[in-house]
Amino acid sequence: GENVEQHPSTLSVQEGDSAVIKCTYSDSASNYFPWYKQELGKRPQLIIDIRSNVGEKKDQRIAVTLNKTAKHFSLHITETQPEDSAVYFCAASIVDTGRRALTFGSGTRLQVQP
Amino acid sequence: DGGITQSPKYLFRKEGQNVTLSCEQNLNHDAMYWYRQDPGQGLRLIYYSQIVNDFQKGDIAEGYSVSREKKESFPLTVTSAQKNPTAFYLCASSWGQDNSPLHFGNGTRLTVT
Repeated sequence: GENVEQHPSTLSVQEGDSAVIKCTYSDSASNYFPWYKQELGKRPQLIIDIRSNVGEKKDQRIAVTLNKTAKHFSLHITETQPEDSAVYFCAASIVDTGRRALTFGSGTRLQVQP
Repeated sequence: DGGITQSPKYLFRKEGQNVTLSCEQNLNHDAMYWYRQDPGQGLRLIYYSQIVNDFQKGDIAEGYSVSREKKESFPLTVTSAQKNPTAFYLCASSWGQDNSPLHFGNGTRLTVT
């Protein structure tokens, strides 16, 4: 089955700096890569996603890049703010097949220092 | 906010007892999922169901059982066979179609002593 590895496990940045979280996946057939954000004591929520036919996607201060050849994808947060502090999870799945359940990475705890 | 409800929020059981975690959704979603969250291990898939009366094992199904008799309900039973049941359990639902985002419940924290 799919295996998703996520790094780093913790990340501390100064407010206004950029943050980058990286993930690798094992199954070359995976074609859907979402990112979820889980604030302390709250449920995970989707913040951005990308499909394998796209190399990069942006939404205001966040962006995701995908390298299918290397089987890795990254989350980029620019101009970080204290409210960006949370645990971020990457995930991968194969859509258009029988299994549509996501395989998640182990999570990155991002702390933005004011 | 509503949509998907897990109960109870905290659950305590003695070792050797089975326990059932409730998950109900009113989003009319076809697919439902159970994930287990442990520190440093992310979200691991226990079981999922894409349609009523059908479900599939996830990556860590051993010691767990589920049922999907109604579209809106997907209860998870943690049996005495589960070696390390103490964890935070998250239920989720989605339309089950391409790129359909998961909607998570607030979770149930189970402690077995």
